Amino acid sequence: QVQLVESGGGLVKPGGSLRLSCAASGFTFSDYYMSWIRQAPGKGLEWISYISGNTFYTEYADSVKGRFTISRDNAENSVDLQMSSLRAEDTAVYYCAVTSGAFVSWGQGTLVTVSS
Amino acid sequence: EIVLTQSPDFQSVAPKERVTITCRASQSIGSSLHWYQQKPDQSPRLLIKYGTQTMSGVPSRFSGSGSGTDFTLTINGLEAEDVAVYYCHQSSSLDTFGGGTKVEIK
Repeated sequence: QVQLVESGGGLVKPGGSLRLSCAASGFTFSDYYMSWIRQAPGKGLEWISYISGNTFYTEYADSVKGRFTISRDNAENSVDLQMSSLRAEDTAVYYCAVTSGAFVSWGQGTLVTVSS
Repeated sequence: EIVLTQSPDFQSVAPKERVTITCRASQSIGSSLHWYQQKPDQSPRLLIKYGTQTMSGVPSRFSGSGSGTDFTLTINGLEAEDVAVYYCHQSSSLDTFGGGTKVEIK
């Protein structure tokens, strides 16, 4: 079955950087877009980025454009999110998701806290 | 950006009663509308994709309808395990989510 395991979350100071990873298994990884979605504490869901299966196509939400970079390694079945210039409002649980139009499978999430 | 407006924000419903949640898009999105269920302290789960296609393993009491700008998620006969927040999501243009509808048992 599909399994997605996020890692790399933690406490970081404003202006700092963090790299999240998502390890995938149970499906043909390179056939699917992958997305990152976040959820601030007590708030709703926000899509932030996706990457195509062949890595050629990426998109970002305006809230993170220019600060976050998505990448993937199809040999390692992993997708990363490099986050820089972090702000307090980036505090959230970050989920990776298998994407086929809809977000068909989700990981358990990793918490990122941006605070001094 | 396509804005999705969900209503109501909160619904308290007696067991076995029907729940209806609506999602309105700020412009036409065809059928590119998906519904998720998020139970407390869990990741979201895809219930229905492309407006009407119920995912495998989802109870038959869940159904979706609509196209264009107006969509509906219906739970026919609420059960205790359905207590959750429900979100709509559009994938027509730079994905966005609705604000969520919290469903509780009365």
